[in-house]
Amino acid sequence: DGGITQSPKYLFRKEGQNVTLSCEQNLNHDAMYWYRQDPGQGLRLIYYSQIVNDFQKGDIAEGYSVSREKKESFPLTVTSAQKNPTAFYLCASSRDRSQETQYFGPGTRLLVL
Amino acid sequence: GENVEQHPSTLSVQEGDSAVIKCTYSDSASNYFPWYKQELGKGPQLIIDIRSNVGEKKDQRIAVTLNKTAKHFSLHITETQPEDSAVYFCAAIRGSNYQLIWGAGTKLIIKP
Repeated sequence: DGGITQSPKYLFRKEGQNVTLSCEQNLNHDAMYWYRQDPGQGLRLIYYSQIVNDFQKGDIAEGYSVSREKKESFPLTVTSAQKNPTAFYLCASSRDRSQETQYFGPGTRLLVL
Repeated sequence: GENVEQHPSTLSVQEGDSAVIKCTYSDSASNYFPWYKQELGKGPQLIIDIRSNVGEKKDQRIAVTLNKTAKHFSLHITETQPEDSAVYFCAAIRGSNYQLIWGAGTKLIIKP
């Protein structure tokens, strides 16, 4: 089966701790994205990558970091600098940089202890 | 930059009736308009899309219409069923920078 997987489904962060959310795709897509979704709100772009070893900041990149060392993987680190990290995090991919037809993973819900 | 407004934020319809969700966009250069459906606890999934050179597109019970002059596009769902209950998002993309701009979402509730 082709698709996008995210892990874990739920993640708990302690104060001052960095946590990393995993995103893997086997669709052979060039572009990948990270979105944050707060309750009752739309999707806000955190970071995106159009090609391996390259990524760009989205609208709310502060307190987050990413890497794109492999085409199929785009992990997101929520750093201690992100003061309000509680949200639903969605990873997506698209065939190329045109961003048309984004395919989403099942999401990771991050909670702060 | 582009801005996408989506209305209503919540829509409740009787099963079997039609539902219409409307989005307006600000940038006349936008040329691609997808609609996504998000079920509870899941990621959004593309259900239909339309390009700026087309005025209407249908796929079984769902349709999307585009009015470029007024800069708005709408999702139409006919003969609604319980499984249509979800949050629906519209989006717009500009051809020049490929930035996908999302609406805030509409929670559709189908009443039995």
